[in-house]
Amino acid sequence: SAVISQKPSRDICQRGTSLTIQCQVDSQVTMMFWYRQQPGQSLTLIATANQGSEATYESGFVIDKFPISRPNLTFSTLTVSNMSPEDSSIYLCSVADIKNTEAFFGQGTRLTVV
Amino acid sequence: GQSLEQPSEVTAVEGAIVQINCTYQTSGFYGLSWYQQHDGGAPTFLSYNALDGLEETGRFSSFLSRSDSYGYLLLQELQMKDSASYFCAVREAPSGNTGKLIFGQGTTLQVKP
Repeated sequence: SAVISQKPSRDICQRGTSLTIQCQVDSQVTMMFWYRQQPGQSLTLIATANQGSEATYESGFVIDKFPISRPNLTFSTLTVSNMSPEDSSIYLCSVADIKNTEAFFGQGTRLTVV
Repeated sequence: GQSLEQPSEVTAVEGAIVQINCTYQTSGFYGLSWYQQHDGGAPTFLSYNALDGLEETGRFSSFLSRSDSYGYLLLQELQMKDSASYFCAVREAPSGNTGKLIFGQGTTLQVKP
């Protein structure tokens, strides 16, 4: 199993500002995943963070809006840039087990943009 | 396109059995997973099926039919604490065994006394 520490757990931000979310894993992992979950909705993958290379973004998500860093095999950050109220959501980081059969999630960051 | 269909809501009483279905249409298929999420909490893993058949883990069982692109989660002896959202998720067949998941819209299960 993997233990994921994610912070901040919640924040209220002004529109136009940026917030950086941190994700720390207790073991080395090749890939880390960033999801968004809007209230009452499903999880949507934003991007896959690879150590040593640029993140891979899903359709509808761009690097300028959601820059990602992956400086080592246990840590990643997601920045939500130039925020608007539509960015209000829960952001979750995730890793998979070595067999890629089970995903582990951080507790999420509940972001409210006002 | 990619889609996973599951009922939006299910209600059952304590002690009962409930089945949550999931049909999927994805560009590839590597396995079907189920996750539970309580309000305000993180999703937690329940089960994974890569091959056809039934997997049983305590009160929870999961079934997969690859030929029908269909699976279900069966919850037995329901307890109040089972009230939560349940998501099916597909791991698409790689290009690499990436661990990337596509989630269904989730089923909200309400267990009543």
